[in-house]
Amino acid sequence: GAVVSQHPSRVICKSGTSVKIECRSLDFQATTMFWYRQFPKQSLMLMATSNEGSKATYEQGVEKDKFLINHASLTLSTLTVTSAHPEDSSFYICSASRGQGQPQHFGDGTRLSIL
Amino acid sequence: AQKVTQAQTEISVVEKEDVTLDCVYETRDTTYYLFWYKQPPSGELVFLIRRNSFDEQNEISGRYSWNFQKSTSSFNFTITASQVVDSAVYFCALSGGAQKLVFGQGTRLTINP
Repeated sequence: GAVVSQHPSRVICKSGTSVKIECRSLDFQATTMFWYRQFPKQSLMLMATSNEGSKATYEQGVEKDKFLINHASLTLSTLTVTSAHPEDSSFYICSASRGQGQPQHFGDGTRLSIL
Repeated sequence: AQKVTQAQTEISVVEKEDVTLDCVYETRDTTYYLFWYKQPPSGELVFLIRRNSFDEQNEISGRYSWNFQKSTSSFNFTITASQVVDSAVYFCALSGGAQKLVFGQGTRLTINP
């Protein structure tokens, strides 16, 4: 069964809307979760590392104020795309692992389309 | 810096052929981990295998096999007797001291009936 649950799977909304994506670790407590973005026919690009109880660590070039990450519990991290615009349209996918060197288990992804 | 290179962007073979997906990595970490993931058209990433840097033993799982060679910094993946359901994008990935993964560009594998 699924180890990581991501919701919603698809979002279509108007420009200017803020969109929240949830990522839940179902089988284990995850102090660290990850958010990736994937453009069509490209690889996964790490956006940020979500740390439970502290601020997320963003990769270079990722706007912190645009992509808000909250990791309030050991099983839930959320990504909010604020004031989304068409260029934010993409496939967003989260992951969690049990620790260093352990496989990351991925959610099913969220396909975000901003009109 | 860590880097993963999958030189084969796309591969197309006929069903039942064997196919090898190449993966070459770069890292300065002495302890690191290598992974392969499968991404079918539906989009989810499916974990296939993990290897740590101290374990060069090759592995076979059904029709899948992996060849890890530290001397050439390679971690290649072979599918034997390919099937249409094997069609997907396959990613090789690396993690070192930090937990975050560095992905290769992916190889799009198409198995034709």
